[in-house]
Amino acid sequence: GQNIDQPTEMTATEGAIVQINCTYQTSGFNGLFWYQQHAGEAPTFLSYNVLDGLEEKGRFSSFLSRSKGYSYLLLKELQMKDSASYLCAAMDSNYQLIWGAGTKLIIKP
Amino acid sequence: GAVVSQHPSRVICKSGTSVKIECRSLDFQATTMFWYRQFPKQSLMLMATSNEGSKATYEQGVEKDKFLINHASLTLSTLTVTSAHPEDSSFYICSARDRTDTEAFFGQGTRLTVV
Repeated sequence: GQNIDQPTEMTATEGAIVQINCTYQTSGFNGLFWYQQHAGEAPTFLSYNVLDGLEEKGRFSSFLSRSKGYSYLLLKELQMKDSASYLCAAMDSNYQLIWGAGTKLIIKP
Repeated sequence: GAVVSQHPSRVICKSGTSVKIECRSLDFQATTMFWYRQFPKQSLMLMATSNEGSKATYEQGVEKDKFLINHASLTLSTLTVTSAHPEDSSFYICSARDRTDTEAFFGQGTRLTVV
């Protein structure tokens, strides 16, 4: 079956770095997405990886290893506004997104 | 990024009535639109996928006669919740994707409360 695993909740300190991991199992693979979702709002796109390696975009970076079925989202210089849920989603061979349950990130001063 | 507009953002309706939610892609042609439902503290649950001009494909367990989806143009899809009941209260979100771009853009979501 198809499955996405990511931690339910993480806590980090303002100004620090946090890494949110995601492992996936899908029928075929057409890329891995990360979305940010604040409470009561729709998700917003953060990153898309289809090739192995690290992609950096400002304070956020995303890594993919297709052989391991693994990705992580790295957030640097954490700010209070980064408190949100982070959703990992893998696209299968039919271009359908398989969603993880999301990781709630709590930032403490 | 591209913009997807979803309307209304909040709606309260009486049990037994129908509610229509609109999802529009403002600056691109959305050949595929997705409708999701999200309960508090839970992830997105895909309800159906619609391609322009075709009937929507519903996920298992989603009643197609209750959740009517229309995708008549490349910029508009609608979800109608018919004969709404309190258990239909949820956050409904649409997302849209064009033919060549695999990234999906989300609407703002609609908070539906059935009383």
